[in-house]
This record gives sequence, structure tokens and C-alpha cells, in this order.
Amino acid sequence: DTAVSQTPKYLVTQMGNDKSIKCEQNLGHDTMYWYKQDSKKFLKIMFSYNNKELIINETVPNRFSPKSPDKAHLNLHINSLELGDSAVYFCASSQSLAAPYNEQFFGPGTRLTVL
Amino acid sequence: GNSVTQMEGPVTLSEEAFLTINCTYTATGYPSLFWYVQYPGEGLQLLLKATKADDKGSNKGFEATYRKETTSFHLEKGSVQVSDSAVYFCALSGSNTGKLIFGQGTTLQVKP
Repeated sequence: DTAVSQTPKYLVTQMGNDKSIKCEQNLGHDTMYWYKQDSKKFLKIMFSYNNKELIINETVPNRFSPKSPDKAHLNLHINSLELGDSAVYFCASSQSLAAPYNEQFFGPGTRLTVL
Repeated sequence: GNSVTQMEGPVTLSEEAFLTINCTYTATGYPSLFWYVQYPGEGLQLLLKATKADDKGSNKGFEATYRKETTSFHLEKGSVQVSDSAVYFCALSGSNTGKLIFGQGTTLQVKP
């Protein structure tokens, strides 16, 4: 069983479109994250949720809206896509916020290409 | 703010060579330190971690020691294999938000 899964794996779309990426974890974790990896492999956190509550919103444009329907799911919706949104988006989860040394488990990534 | 700096890559080594990837950090308080590895086309996997000064994390022949005096967490392996070719990320977590701050990543290529 895949611990953290993301769909789709690849997403190619036109500028101006709206798209969503879904993430699910079956680890029973309380905390989930979205990271963005740019073309130079640099990774930066975008959002984190703990028990469906937003904890981190790292100055991401408000075109990006995360939604956590339950603590096993954290979806990312992007409005009015721009060329600069092209990147690999990774979902991750960890057991809780109580211990910052908890391992984060990453999904396989979604490669978004905006044309 | 907190930050992590890794040595520039790519690092190209022959099989069985010794590996060092340097990592230094800036942080307030007592962060936890991690090395994550990303194999081609995959997500990140935790390689090893250390949660307090002088701790040594180790896994799959890789080691790193948390050095508070030099604010470093260098990754080492005595004898690399072709299968170790990947991107390696040093990271820290210093708050109760769970936020990981990553270095820029170092690409390792091991040639037979």
C-alpha cells in the first residue's frame, strides 16, 4: 500500500486554467504538507495542515487554495495558472506537530507544466 | 531566520570512493537535522536524522553528526555505489509547526 499518494502524476495545462492536485495518506498521521520544487530542485514549503486546521501558509499567492476534507486528505487547488507555477508539487505527512523530529513521508510528486 | 546551506553540486565520484556532502545551518534554539534523498523521478525519503547536539544519524552506510559548535551536519559514506546516485537534501526543523527548511540539494553521480 502506498503511504502517501498523489494524483495526477503529470498535469499539462494552459495558462489561465484552474486545476487541482489530490493527496491522500494512509498512515494515520495528523499533519500534512504541500511543498513546491522548482526546476533547480529547490524545495519550499507552501502549506501545512494539522487535523484539518491550517498551520502554515508560506506567503503563497491566494490563487493557491488548499483544502483538507479530513485529516487523511489534503488537496491543492490552483486558479488562473501562470507559467511560473510550473514545478513539481510534493505532498507529505507526519505523525503530529508535537515532535519536530518526526519524519515526513513524501508522495511521489505531481509534475505541473503550464503552457 | 533559519536556513540551510549545502555544498554546490554536482558531485561526481567513482564507485567505492569516499563521499562527503557539506551542510551548515543557521537556527535559533535547538533544531532537529535531517538528510533526505531523492532518487530520479521519485519523492523524498528520509535517509537519517539527529535531534540533539553530538547525535550521529546513520543508515545504509551513510552517517552524519550533529555539530552544534560548527553548526554543521555533513553527510559521509565510506564507499559509494552506483545506486547511491541521487539528489541529497539537508534539512532542519526548528519549530512546532513541523516546517522543514531545506538546503538547495546536492546531486551525486556515481560512475562504475
